[in-house]
Amino acid sequence: DTAVSQTPKYLVTQMGNDKSIKCEQNLGHDTMYWYKQDSKKFLKIMFSYNNKELIINETVPNRFSPKSPDKAHLNLHINSLELGDSAVYFCASSQVRQHQETQYFGPGTRLLVL
Amino acid sequence: SQQGEEDPQALSIQEGENATMNCSYKTSINNLQWYRQNSGRGLVHLILIRSNEREKHSGRLRVTLDTSKKSSSLLITASRAADTASYFCATSTGANSKLTFGKGITLSVRP
Repeated sequence: DTAVSQTPKYLVTQMGNDKSIKCEQNLGHDTMYWYKQDSKKFLKIMFSYNNKELIINETVPNRFSPKSPDKAHLNLHINSLELGDSAVYFCASSQVRQHQETQYFGPGTRLLVL
Repeated sequence: SQQGEEDPQALSIQEGENATMNCSYKTSINNLQWYRQNSGRGLVHLILIRSNEREKHSGRLRVTLDTSKKSSSLLITASRAADTASYFCATSTGANSKLTFGKGITLSVRP
């Protein structure tokens, strides 16, 4: 069974649209993350939630809004999509409370904004 | 600014050879981790070395950490074609263990 899953895997949309990406982990971890990987493979943290509480919020446009309904889910909603939002978005999870800092990544969502 | 910087940016070797990749960083860290990313896939954790450790082994992987030089190296011995991937170092800092990734090294292992 997939440990960290994301849907959709591919997302092609027009500029100005609103879209959501969903992430679920079945590892029982207490912390989840969203990363953005650009075309040069540079991976940057966007948000992190620990037990549904936002703990890392990098300099990300407020068009991006994460939502964690429970410990196992972290969704990312993007309003008014722009061309520059095209990237691969990765969800990850880890068990920070027990100092298990290895992060487990999902397969990624490839977002293309036209 | 970016925390981890790997070098070289790209490395091409013959199967059976060893591959050495380096990572330098700028600030104090909790630990340093290496990840692998196959083309079109997510990142996979390889090894974690804590700031009070100097060397760690896992199978064909050997990681060193020099906190005085703020650098780490990843050695893959007896490389295989399946080791072809991008390799990233990531530094964990702060109370929230935020991970900051380098730009990655593209390793090609020729059969």
